Amino acid sequence: DAKTTQPTSMDCAEGRAANLPCNHSTISGNEYVYWYRQIHSQGPQYIIHGLKNNETNEMASLIITEDRKSSTLILPHATLRDTAVYYCIVRERSSNTGKLIFGQGTTLQVKP
Amino acid sequence: DTAVSQTPKYLVTQMGNDKSIKCEQNLGHDTMYWYKQDSKKFLKIMFSYNNKELIINETVPNRFSPKSPDKAHLNLHINSLELGDSAVYFCASSHSTTGGVDTQYFGPGTRLTVL
Repeated sequence: DAKTTQPTSMDCAEGRAANLPCNHSTISGNEYVYWYRQIHSQGPQYIIHGLKNNETNEMASLIITEDRKSSTLILPHATLRDTAVYYCIVRERSSNTGKLIFGQGTTLQVKP
Repeated sequence: DTAVSQTPKYLVTQMGNDKSIKCEQNLGHDTMYWYKQDSKKFLKIMFSYNNKELIINETVPNRFSPKSPDKAHLNLHINSLELGDSAVYFCASSHSTTGGVDTQYFGPGTRLTVL
């Protein structure tokens, strides 16, 4: 079972920031937060991950609360191509299996 | 240059047949995976291989048999296909299973339809 809770769907206006929340209240100290997305009819794509500090890359920013029980993925200037299902996943730092457990994700619809 | 490729992209077949899906990665990764995405869009891991050795088998029926001839390939053979096997199957690869910073790269998927 997924250890995360996400809203089922969200809308965002093109050009505005998209803020996608994720609740992971049972996260343990050795677990990372990963974000992947799946654009329609494509394979999932890695976006970003973090342990406890905020992270930023060319795709997005990840804000993790101090207690690590929730996080927010930020797409700073959403485009129509960002319409996708976004998955928040927690995974052990030293997993010996590597498996990702996907939940239902958040369907983000970016509108013109 | 395709990092993780799968063939075929679409596969339509009759119940009871045996079919294979092939996966290749050119990233030099040690670990490869098969995931299944059903009609409700839930994505679940099926198998994982590290350096050609099976490390995950998520209670998948014996009709599913992964085969890894080398590190760059992980094929999925399915015997006696059933209607419930209809799904999109994704292959993925990663550098390793440990370290916690292991990004998985997914292939484009194979849509299997069993009639």
